[in-house]
Amino acid sequence: SQQGEEDPQALSIQEGENATMNCSYKTSINNLQWYRQNSGRGLVHLILIRSNEREKHSGRLRVTLDTSKKSSSLLITASRAADTASYFCATDQISSGSARQLTFGSGTQLTVLP
Amino acid sequence: NAGVTQTPKFRVLKTGQSMTLLCAQDMNHEYMYWYRQDPGMGLRLIHYSVGEGTTAKGEVPDGYNVSRLKKQNFLLGLESAAPSQTSVYFCASSFVGSGGQFFGPGTRLTVL
Repeated sequence: SQQGEEDPQALSIQEGENATMNCSYKTSINNLQWYRQNSGRGLVHLILIRSNEREKHSGRLRVTLDTSKKSSSLLITASRAADTASYFCATDQISSGSARQLTFGSGTQLTVLP
Repeated sequence: NAGVTQTPKFRVLKTGQSMTLLCAQDMNHEYMYWYRQDPGMGLRLIHYSVGEGTTAKGEVPDGYNVSRLKKQNFLLGLESAAPSQTSVYFCASSFVGSGGQFFGPGTRLTVL
């Protein structure tokens, strides 16, 4: 079963615009992570936000976490064509113990048009 | 520093055949994972290992076996391949404790 569900499933924007993707999850977490996957490639870790954090920045990325609503958002500012990829949220659930298993959502396909 | 590598990159099997996928990492990570990714879906955990000599089942372990004889290697075996195992397989590794996972480039497996 999918712990995280991204919204929207697909997003198409113009270069320079901001892109916002949302993730909802069901059970208590240690942290939530965002990954990027370019077509035909492996996943690349973008950013991790812990359950006691509300917002985190990394370059053009901003992640927020609302544990009361069990949701997170990923904002990519000033998007570029190179940002075209699938973006996945992944939750490290408290129930996984020390194994640090991640449960992935089904992803948002972002297309940035030049 | 190659990171996480996977062998082979592509493979076509006939139903009932067996094969082993090899994952290697050179980052001295304790934790290693095998996932499968099907079209339009996120990754699902097959098996994982929290250290040399240890393995555990993930969300979808049926039809797969794993071994972690050396810290740097994590092998995924299919004893009798089925068409339902057609997928892209990803290996990942991570440090002990919280943190992101490092992924390999994937193995695209087709079972006819």
